[in-house]
Amino acid sequence: GAGVSQSPRYKVAKRGQDVALRCDPISGHVSLFWYQQALGQGPEFLTYFQNEAQLDKSGLPSDRFFAERPEGSVSTLKIQRTQQEDSAVYLCASSLGFSGSGDTQYFGPGTRLTVL
Amino acid sequence: DQQVKQNSPSLSVQEGRISILNCDYTNSMFDYFLWYKKYPAEGPTFLISISSIKDKNEDGRFTVFLNKSAKHLSLHIVPSQPGDSAVYFCAAIFTSGTYKYIFGTGTRLKVLA
Repeated sequence: GAGVSQSPRYKVAKRGQDVALRCDPISGHVSLFWYQQALGQGPEFLTYFQNEAQLDKSGLPSDRFFAERPEGSVSTLKIQRTQQEDSAVYLCASSLGFSGSGDTQYFGPGTRLTVL
Repeated sequence: DQQVKQNSPSLSVQEGRISILNCDYTNSMFDYFLWYKKYPAEGPTFLISISSIKDKNEDGRFTVFLNKSAKHLSLHIVPSQPGDSAVYFCAAIFTSGTYKYIFGTGTRLKVLA
């Protein structure tokens, strides 16, 4: 079946612009995670949704970052007033059960954001 | 403060030989560990996992060893194949609260034909 998809795959923004990154999780997956991967680093947790509820946003680096999953499926990560340090690959992952079920997370291909 | 560390950024191995990728962690409260493989322009793909109550898990050519006293885990690939060339990330989880993954920085494995 279809895996996790993300769009756009590449995004170039001028500093100060707002961007929106989309994630389509695997159908029926309850849990959805966003991670940020800077160059040469491992992915770092940003936020977690269980269905439409955002249960953990402890990894969001600033109030310029906002995520939503209004109907419990597709999720959008929005970054306002982008800065150069926001340049990274943004990864979305989904898992079948709720967070505590220990189900494996399946990752999308990521969106590479470059802020000029 | 890097809680999961992969101290070798890269590793080259001859085809058919064993590849050993290492990972160290600092927090003894981690109770589940995973290895992911990543090809360029793709997302990480799950490879193998191990619970902290075990010291070994095997799946085909892949074996993960866990040494809790040393806070160290390793991934063994035998025999290594050119298609194994990728970046390998280890990750750790607290099995309470959000099951967010804490990733290492990755090791780039190159298997030479």
